[in-house]
Amino acid sequence: DAGVIQSPRHEVTEMGQEVTLRCKPISGHNSLFWYRQTMMRGLELLIYFNNNVPIDDSGMPEDRFSAKMPNASFSTLKIQPSEPRDSAVYFCASRRRDGSRSAGYTFGSGTRLTVV
Amino acid sequence: TQLLEQSPQFLSIQEGENLTVYCNSSSVFSSLQWYRQEPGEGPVLLVTVVTGGEVKKLKRLTFQFGDARKDSSLHITAAQPGDTGLYLCAGAMDSSYKLIFGSGTRLLVRP
Repeated sequence: DAGVIQSPRHEVTEMGQEVTLRCKPISGHNSLFWYRQTMMRGLELLIYFNNNVPIDDSGMPEDRFSAKMPNASFSTLKIQPSEPRDSAVYFCASRRRDGSRSAGYTFGSGTRLTVV
Repeated sequence: TQLLEQSPQFLSIQEGENLTVYCNSSSVFSSLQWYRQEPGEGPVLLVTVVTGGEVKKLKRLTFQFGDARKDSSLHITAAQPGDTGLYLCAGAMDSSYKLIFGSGTRLLVRP
C-alpha cells in the first residue's frame, strides 16, 4: 500500500499563475478530503468527495479555488489565479466510508505551495 | 473561532516527564480522533474514541473521551524525544465523516 500520494511536494509560483495540485487516494477508499494548513489557521477542510461526488465545498475560500475528482483514483485542486495569501501546505486525505466511526483518515505528505 | 480548542499550544519538557494535552469544545462529537504530525509530513492517526467516558491506552499514551463527548485528553507518561511533534485532536459531529481539527499542541521533548 503506497498510501495517499500527492504531487508536487513543493511548488513555487508567481502571483497570478494557475496552480494544480494532484492526489491519488488509497485504493478502496471512497472518501477524499482536501485540507489546507497554515500556522495562523491550522488545518482547514476545503472540500470533500464521497464516491467521486463533491459533498461539501463550503470551506473553499473563493471562486479562484476548484476541485475535481474524475475517477476513484485521482483528484485535483486548482487555484487560478494564485495569490500570495494562498501560500500554505495543502493536504489530501482519504478514508474508507464503511459506516465505522473508528476508521481514520490517511493523509498524504502534502504540497507546500509558495506564491511570490 | 476554533470549534475545538487545544491546550497548551506549546509544551517543552524534559525526557522522562509526564504531560497532558487537552481538547475542548462546546459541541458534542460522535467520535474524536488524535493525530500526530511530524515536520514535512501529514498527520498520522493515533487513536479513535467513540463512547463517552472511554479510555484507550497505546503504550505510554492514554486517551480519554469526556462523558458528554465534548472534550478529550491525551496523557503521555515518561515522555521521550521521539514523542516530539504536533498533536491534533479532530472531531466528527455526525455520520458525514467530515473531521474538524483542533488548533494543535506542539510538543518538544528535550533529551
